Amino acid sequence: DAGVIQSPRHEVTEMGQEVTLRCKPISGHNSLFWYRQTMMRGLELLIYFNNNVPIDDSGMPEDRFSAKMPNASFSTLKIQPSEPRDSAVYFCASSLTGGEQFFGPGTRLTVL
Amino acid sequence: AQSVAQPEDQVNVAEGNPLTVKCTYSVSGNPYLFWYVQYPNRGLQFLLKYITGDNLVKGSYGFEAEFNKSQTSFHLKKPSALVSDSALYFCAVRDMGGGSYIPTFGRGTSLIVHP
Repeated sequence: DAGVIQSPRHEVTEMGQEVTLRCKPISGHNSLFWYRQTMMRGLELLIYFNNNVPIDDSGMPEDRFSAKMPNASFSTLKIQPSEPRDSAVYFCASSLTGGEQFFGPGTRLTVL
Repeated sequence: AQSVAQPEDQVNVAEGNPLTVKCTYSVSGNPYLFWYVQYPNRGLQFLLKYITGDNLVKGSYGFEAEFNKSQTSFHLKKPSALVSDSALYFCAVRDMGGGSYIPTFGRGTSLIVHP
């Protein structure tokens, strides 16, 4: 298995632009998580999907952030408009419900 | 409610010496415990887990962890550290009686193994 796939690996954009991060979970996994990691705040859970349904989005910072999971093999995290404080590494992880998580390589986002 | 604490931001150990990375937890029900490792510029990687059974759990790369219910701890250990073990280590816990499938991660402990 290829593991969790994320794209792009690096994204540099200007403040105000829309950013879309993509994730392909491991086949057969029914849970998907989006995290953000920074030196200051550590690892933060943004949103959790189970069976393609958003279960907990309490970690989404504000309305500028949105996430979708249209099917079991694809999820997106969108930031619109982006701000410099959104600069971070964004991870997608998948698992069987309640089990250990398998993380993707991350997307390093820089907002200028 | 569930929580996890990693009391040390950094652990330093000489190569060849045993290492311990500490983790304590708090849950209402029974804990489901995990350890992950993160190498630089990589995603977190699952090392081992405890659900039930033997208190000593063996995982990848020679790591093991000991579950101690009375001390609510799940410390990560390795008998002989390697320089290549230098990384960021995360403990995570999920309350099996809490009704949520979302684990709580600790803030991470940076392990530095000196040659």
